[in-house]
Amino acid sequence: DTGVSQNPRHKITKRGQNVTFRCDPISEHNRLYWYRQTLGQGPEFLTYFQNEAQLEKSRLLSDRFSAERPKGSFSTLEIQRTEQGDSAMYLCASSFPEQPQHFGDGTRLSIL
Amino acid sequence: EDQVTQSPEALRLQEGESSSLNCSYTVSGLRGLFWYRQDPGKGPEFLFTLYSAGEEKEKERLKATLTKKESFLHITAPKPEDSATYLCAVQSHNAGNNRKLIWGLGTSLAVNP
Repeated sequence: DTGVSQNPRHKITKRGQNVTFRCDPISEHNRLYWYRQTLGQGPEFLTYFQNEAQLEKSRLLSDRFSAERPKGSFSTLEIQRTEQGDSAMYLCASSFPEQPQHFGDGTRLSIL
Repeated sequence: EDQVTQSPEALRLQEGESSSLNCSYTVSGLRGLFWYRQDPGKGPEFLFTLYSAGEEKEKERLKATLTKKESFLHITAPKPEDSATYLCAVQSHNAGNNRKLIWGLGTSLAVNP
């Protein structure tokens, strides 16, 4: 069990640039989640995949955000035209059905 | 609206000084309550799942209990390595099939040697 892997660990970018993060879930976990966490807060749900299907998106997820899980394995989260308010830790989690979610160590995004 | 409240916000203990963290929840149909530990710069690490009132789970110095309105995480004789933020989260039956977690703000625990 290699755990959930997220890359990059840190991303610094200028406002207005596009960024993409990758998540490799635990092998054979069919459920994959993206959360966002800011300092002193709990994670906030962004979106959820079951296999390759994106089944729910939070209202927090503006049109600038898009997520994919093309073959039901790894997932990417893209943010277009980044804004200061996008600065946060982006967490990915995966699970089997009816099992606890296991998290990666996140990608910390800083917008200059 | 589903809601999770954790207290205290921060707790400082001496090594060996036992204490409890509280997680109060309001949810329309509890599917499960989860405790996670989070170290600085890391993702949450799963500790326990509780499903029904009266249930208890233990792991080393940690014991989690559940009632119909709250959960406690009891820490017995803590060590400095137990220092972390402890997060509580719930899943509601109304979350549909996605099983998303609703989180509290966490309790930041510091254990002094």
